[in-house]
Amino acid sequence: GIQVEQSPPDLILQEGANSTLRCNFSDSVNNLQWFHQNPWGQLINLFYIPSGTKQNGRLSATTVATERYSLLYISSSQTTDSGVYFCAARYGNKLVFGAGTILRVKS
Amino acid sequence: AAGVIQSPRHLIKEKRETATLKCYPIPRHDTVYWYQQGPGQDPQFLISFYEKMQSDKGSIPDRFSAQQFSDYHSELNMSSLELGDSALYFCASSAARDSTTYEQYFGPGTRLTVT
Repeated sequence: GIQVEQSPPDLILQEGANSTLRCNFSDSVNNLQWFHQNPWGQLINLFYIPSGTKQNGRLSATTVATERYSLLYISSSQTTDSGVYFCAARYGNKLVFGAGTILRVKS
Repeated sequence: AAGVIQSPRHLIKEKRETATLKCYPIPRHDTVYWYQQGPGQDPQFLISFYEKMQSDKGSIPDRFSAQQFSDYHSELNMSSLELGDSALYFCASSAARDSTTYEQYFGPGTRLTVT
């Protein structure tokens, strides 16, 4: 089956810093989603981005489907950005998740 | 906007007991998915339903069964619970009829603890 790899596995930022999270996938996918899992366990949809670039406030994402990767940019990070960021690629009917990036933003 | 509803939010069971988790999809969504997330792990796909028919199956134990009802809500039934079944169980929904996107929206999850 498809493999989804995320990097880095852990990231510690000072409040106000910028960061880039990467997601590589091993095969062609129908779509790609980014999620933020908050400390309470909720999975929050960030982006549905099968290709191209999207922006939502301080967050933006780019997927280059032909090269099988996606990037999530976080600018001017805030402590509330802390949590786990997952990318997930749709394969058939299901989402296959990467292992996640644990982000800690310090004030 | 309405979101996916899951109940109960927390559940504590003993080994060998049974549990039933419920999921109510976003209105007008006709596809439901179940995922299991163990401690420190990423969510793993269990099973999905489209228009009350099973559409895909993942690593779901034989002790588990699920179905989707005529009002599109879904239930995950878990029997002979084991300690390893302790996890966060997510339900997600999507609008399959909308051919422009299959974006999945996740509910808040049911945290199952087996003692």
